[in-house]
Amino acid sequence: DVKVTQSSRYLVKRTGEKVFLECVQDMDHENMFWYRQDPGLGLRLIYFSYDVKMKEKGDIPEGYSVSREKKERFSLILESASTNQTSMYLCASTMAGGSNQPQHFGDGTRLSIL
Amino acid sequence: TQLLEQSPQFLSIQEGENLTVYCNSSSVFSSLQWYRQEPGEGPVLLVTVVTGGEVKKLKRLTFQFGDARKDSSLHITAAQPGDTGLYLCAGAASGGSNYKLTFGKGTLLTVNP
Repeated sequence: DVKVTQSSRYLVKRTGEKVFLECVQDMDHENMFWYRQDPGLGLRLIYFSYDVKMKEKGDIPEGYSVSREKKERFSLILESASTNQTSMYLCASTMAGGSNQPQHFGDGTRLSIL
Repeated sequence: TQLLEQSPQFLSIQEGENLTVYCNSSSVFSSLQWYRQEPGEGPVLLVTVVTGGEVKKLKRLTFQFGDARKDSSLHITAAQPGDTGLYLCAGAASGGSNYKLTFGKGTLLTVNP
């Protein structure tokens, strides 16, 4: 079974801090994604990566950056955290083959910015 | 921008009842996926439908993809408390090379014993 592991289940940070969310997958998947999930807004794509060192903006990239130095690891960075970035963050991975491939999700990081 | 409208947004029913969740769009999708998310966990894939008119069954869950590949439905027969969760539909863009999925906002189902 594919396992996608997010480093923290809960995280509390202060406004202005630089925040790192880490995600690791163990199935050699080419594609990795970061979403945020908010009540009434559903899942919104922040960034995705289709190869090491490759990244592409999603629908809401403002205030975020990403890093993919190794195939199995995809990091989401909040450059200067703000209260409107309080949310549930979900990481996912898929194998190559286009968007028909199922996405495998981690259990999420619930991030609170105070 | 492709949009997926899911309805209803909330559904609370008694054990044993039947229900249907709808996922509609004006856009054509190459495939549509259904996920279920339980509290404190990430979404888990239930099924992928690919062909227009396709019907797939997963125990008491029946999934249908519209003939025009613009809509889908999920029907649950004799719902049980274990079916409680957030149901999400997600469409893959027609054309296949785009890695992105378009997610609906979800249907939060509560099945009361």
